[in-house]
Amino acid sequence: NAGVMQNPRHLVRRRGQEARLRCSPMKGHSHVYWYRQLPEEGLKFMVYLQKENIIDESGMPKERFSAEFPKEGPSILRIQQVVRGDSAAYFCASSPGAMNTEAFFGQGTRLTVV
Amino acid sequence: QKEVEQDPGPLSVPEGAIVSLNCTYSNSAFQYFMWYRQYSRKGPELLMYTYSSGNKEDGRFTAQVDKSSKYISLFIRDSQPSDSATYLCATDNYGQNFVFGPGTRLSVLP
Repeated sequence: NAGVMQNPRHLVRRRGQEARLRCSPMKGHSHVYWYRQLPEEGLKFMVYLQKENIIDESGMPKERFSAEFPKEGPSILRIQQVVRGDSAAYFCASSPGAMNTEAFFGQGTRLTVV
Repeated sequence: QKEVEQDPGPLSVPEGAIVSLNCTYSNSAFQYFMWYRQYSRKGPELLMYTYSSGNKEDGRFTAQVDKSSKYISLFIRDSQPSDSATYLCATDNYGQNFVFGPGTRLSVLP
């Protein structure tokens, strides 16, 4: 049973480009969470999704950021018109139910905006 | 006031030492408390979790929660160089997501 798969592991984008980060949850997991980690900081919650639904997006910046978890395929975190301040590690976690101790994290995508 | 506070370290100890890592939290409604270990450039992995107050032991690791003082601790006995990592405490946020502390960087020197 593969763990939570995130790709790409590293992503470099120029300012103004779009970044797409993908997360495939563990088999049997229908809940996905995205977190952002800035250097020397802890993980900050961004968004919580179930299949085809956004449950909680209270941590998402109001502009340029969006997330989806379609019926088929991975969850996507999209950042439009990236700026240098978006450079960070983005982690997703998945769980079989509402976030609980059975949540597992992926290895993260490290976004660098140049 | 941040919801979860943690001394960022770095903390350096000799191999075999007992390590004490601590966090404080502000919301008395938090019920679940977790400790994650994160190696450099890797994702967090769950070490232990506790519900409400009390102790929980797993091998060399002991997690302790004192809800009266809103204080959570992780003790590592007989620390090993392989324990060198960043340790993140986390609490639940009404079951919707986790609130993490900034992490304490630990180095265990051989």
